Amino acid sequence: KNQVEQSPQSLIILEGKNCTLQCNYTVSPFSNLRWYKQDTGRGPVSLTIMTFSENTKSNGRYTATLDADTKQSSLHITASQLSDSASYICVVILRTLYGNKLVFGAGTILRVKS
Amino acid sequence: ETGVTQTPRHLVMGMTNKKSLKCEQHLGHNAMYWYKQSAKKPLELMFVYNFKEQTENNSVPSRFSPECPNSSHLFLHLHTLQPEDSALYLCASSQVRGVADTQYFGPGTRLTVL
Repeated sequence: KNQVEQSPQSLIILEGKNCTLQCNYTVSPFSNLRWYKQDTGRGPVSLTIMTFSENTKSNGRYTATLDADTKQSSLHITASQLSDSASYICVVILRTLYGNKLVFGAGTILRVKS
Repeated sequence: ETGVTQTPRHLVMGMTNKKSLKCEQHLGHNAMYWYKQSAKKPLELMFVYNFKEQTENNSVPSRFSPECPNSSHLFLHLHTLQPEDSALYLCASSQVRGVADTQYFGPGTRLTVL
C-alpha cells in the first residue's frame, strides 16, 4: 500500500534552534518527493522537490535530504524563526500509467516559540 | 499569494442546505484539483480536471458535485452534507507536463456542517 508517514506529529522549539522533520514512505514506483509548508489559514506551498537521483537540496534555511534506498526523507530547518511555525507536509509522487499521483503525509506541526 | 483564489473562506451550513465553493486560478494552468483536509489526516484528493475534463473521482459521495466550466474556474457544489464533511476544502492547479508539475494551492474554504 502506498503510504507516507511523518514524524513527529508536532514539535515545539525555541527561536534560533535547528530542527529536523522526518518522512518515511512506501510509495512505488517513485517519481519525486516534495516538502510543502502550510501556514495557518492558507493552502500548502511547495518548498522543495527532489527526484530519485538527488540526495540533498536547499532552499534558504530549509534543507531536504532523500535516501531512495531506505525510502526516507528529512527536512532540516536551520536557525528557526517565528514565521517557520506551520504544518510541514511530505508528498511523494507516484508515477502511474495515467499520470502522476500524489500521496500525502499527515504533516508535522511545528511551533517556534520566542 | 499563489495565484489560486477560493471563495468563500469560511462557510457554515445546515445538512439540508445547498451551497457552492468557488475556485479560480490566474496561472494559465491546465489542471485543477479539489482536496479535503481533515484535522491530523493527510490531504485527500477528491476530483481532478485536466483541460476541463474530469479525469479522476476518488470515490467521493454524490453529495459533492464538481463543475469545471473552463480551465480557470472550478466549483464544488454541496448538498445534504453530513457533519463529518466538516473540513478545509482546498483547490489546487498545475500545469501538467510530465514528471514534476507543481501544484499551487488556494487558501481553502473552512466548511462547518451543523
